[in-house]
Amino acid sequence: QKEVEQNSGPLSVPEGAIASLNCTYSDRVSQSFFWYRQYSGKSPELIMSIYSNGDKEDGRFTAQLNKASQYVSLLIRDSQPSDSATYLCAVNEAGGSYIPTFGRGTSLIVHP
Amino acid sequence: ETGVTQTPRHLVMGMTNKKSLKCEQHLGHNAMYWYKQSAKKPLELMFVYSLEERVENNSVPSRFSPECPNSSHLFLHLHTLQPEDSALYLCASSQDLDAYNEQFFGPGTRLTVL
Repeated sequence: QKEVEQNSGPLSVPEGAIASLNCTYSDRVSQSFFWYRQYSGKSPELIMSIYSNGDKEDGRFTAQLNKASQYVSLLIRDSQPSDSATYLCAVNEAGGSYIPTFGRGTSLIVHP
Repeated sequence: ETGVTQTPRHLVMGMTNKKSLKCEQHLGHNAMYWYKQSAKKPLELMFVYSLEERVENNSVPSRFSPECPNSSHLFLHLHTLQPEDSALYLCASSQDLDAYNEQFFGPGTRLTVL
């Protein structure tokens, strides 16, 4: 049984700071990693996907993957109050069921 | 708004009622999913369909019955539910069952069982 672990938070950061969200996973054959953002009362929406070790940047968002340490993170630069949401990490494996496993999410609060 | 729609958005039902949740995707995807999301819990996968065939049934009680008449539509039929079944029910779709495909979620149905 794959496990995806996230600190539930809340993580509170001031506006303009860097928010760092972390996710660890148990299955070494995991190949694809996704970060979803879920606003309160809304459904999850994809922010970033990453498949290779290293960093992937998209605007204010950077995903970092370290497969040796089984660790994926999401950095949000210049955090805005509108970034306040729950961030879900999802992990999938090539050659398996192709169904992602989700973490329970980290609640982020960006205060003015 | 995503290309995945769900109806109804809110549903209140008694334990003896029978109701159905509907999901429709307009993205031309081949895989569809039902998830249950309860407060403070991870997303719980319930059912997965690929090309209208069920490929995953995650030990879900028989009071939940899925139906996938075609690749664009997915239903969840509910009967004799329990109060602990109250949750947000999310439908999602992906291009295929592939490790590299993202999922697109519908807005969800907020279900309350009295």
